[in-house]
Amino acid sequence: DAKTTQPPSMDCAEGRAANLPCNHSTISGNEYVYWYRQIHSQGPQYIIHGLKNNETNEMASLIITEDRKSSTLILPHATLRDTAVYYCIVRAREGGSNYKLTFGKGTLLTVNP
Amino acid sequence: GAVVSQHPSWVICKSGTSVKIECRSLDFQATTMFWYRQFPKQSLMLMATSNEGSKATYEQGVEKDKFLINHASLTLSTLTVTSAHPEDSSFYICSARGRDSSSYNSPLHFGNGTRLTVT
Repeated sequence: DAKTTQPPSMDCAEGRAANLPCNHSTISGNEYVYWYRQIHSQGPQYIIHGLKNNETNEMASLIITEDRKSSTLILPHATLRDTAVYYCIVRAREGGSNYKLTFGKGTLLTVNP
Repeated sequence: GAVVSQHPSWVICKSGTSVKIECRSLDFQATTMFWYRQFPKQSLMLMATSNEGSKATYEQGVEKDKFLINHASLTLSTLTVTSAHPEDSSFYICSARGRDSSSYNSPLHFGNGTRLTVT
């Protein structure tokens, strides 16, 4: 399975953009990059995922480099409620329709007032 | 959006007793459910994968006789921690994948977790 590397922590000022990097240099050609976040004492929340094109939804934008070896999650206007651990995950492949998400240590993003 | 509900959200039990945690998909049929465990300040660790109507597949190092998983319907999976001990105290989280998620890149939906404390 492709592994991911993220900085353990980052700080961001409220109202500014938060850019969270992720390295996944061993990603396979048909593996997707997923981003989830976990607010303290809650279950993970899906944010966004992508294969090779940049993606945007109501929560965030995902920028994937052309060689797909790294990506950046962008929260355009961070709020205090965005303080959470952000996980970058490359989807493990299994036979059939089963698959599993393997979580690394993630990045603790702290949004400061 | 897809909602996964866990119950209870927290439970305290005495050592040696068994505890059952429920995971329900509220607005979709979950063909596959995953159970995770998370210790304080650590990441989520996958315990097992369950498919509706079949036996669960456990990750290496997870005792199947201690963590009983039942996925008898398309909307409910249960995790029973048998003969719980203090070291089983943890945050247990389920996730579910819907029947209509035909492509393997569909995101998983997670419950809000169950905090188990064994005294």
